Amino acid sequence: EAAVTQSPRNKVAVTGGKVTLSCNQTNNHNNMYWYRQDTGHGLRLIHYSYGAGSTEKGDIPDGYKASRPSQENFSLILELATPSQTSVYFCASGDGMGPDTQYFGPGTRLLVL
Amino acid sequence: AQSVTQPDARVTVSEGASLQLRCKYSSSVTPYLFWYVQYPRQGLQLLLKYYSGDPVVQGVNGFEAEFSKSNSSFHLRKASVHWSDSAVYFCAVSPNSGGSNAKLTFGKGTKLSVKS
Repeated sequence: EAAVTQSPRNKVAVTGGKVTLSCNQTNNHNNMYWYRQDTGHGLRLIHYSYGAGSTEKGDIPDGYKASRPSQENFSLILELATPSQTSVYFCASGDGMGPDTQYFGPGTRLLVL
Repeated sequence: AQSVTQPDARVTVSEGASLQLRCKYSSSVTPYLFWYVQYPRQGLQLLLKYYSGDPVVQGVNGFEAEFSKSNSSFHLRKASVHWSDSAVYFCAVSPNSGGSNAKLTFGKGTKLSVKS
């Protein structure tokens, strides 16, 4: 069974502070993704990666950076957090072969005050 | 560009009744199609996927979906729902080239409530 874990599961941050969300996968998948989920918007893609050392911008990358230091780890970084970034963030991994089935982590709830 | 529309934000059905959740997609070529389910405070889990062949695909827990190229649709069905099916269901589409173009585009989701 695919395994994607996220930390922290809950985070309260202050406006202007730096936030790092971490994701680890044990599937040996090349592809990893960061989404945010907001009521009325479904899931929106922030950043993604096709392998260690690579990051690509998704549909809503402004205000976010990403880092993929290894096959297993993919981080999402908010350098200057804002209240509009309050959301639930999901990480996923996918093998990218044919229909890329993505396996999701349990999510991180971020509240920016 | 591809897009997904789930026209029903909320659906309520009685336990034991049949279910159809609607999904329409827009894509220049036949895409890969997926249904995911999200239970409260959990991540998304794959229910089923379609990429070619028989337009009716079977998934987990008695769910199935039917692809229609003429209608650009991929509706989800279940013959008899259980209270535990209460969740949010997402339809998603990706280009059928895999690899570097494997990004998913999600619909906004349909919240299913099953009343006993």
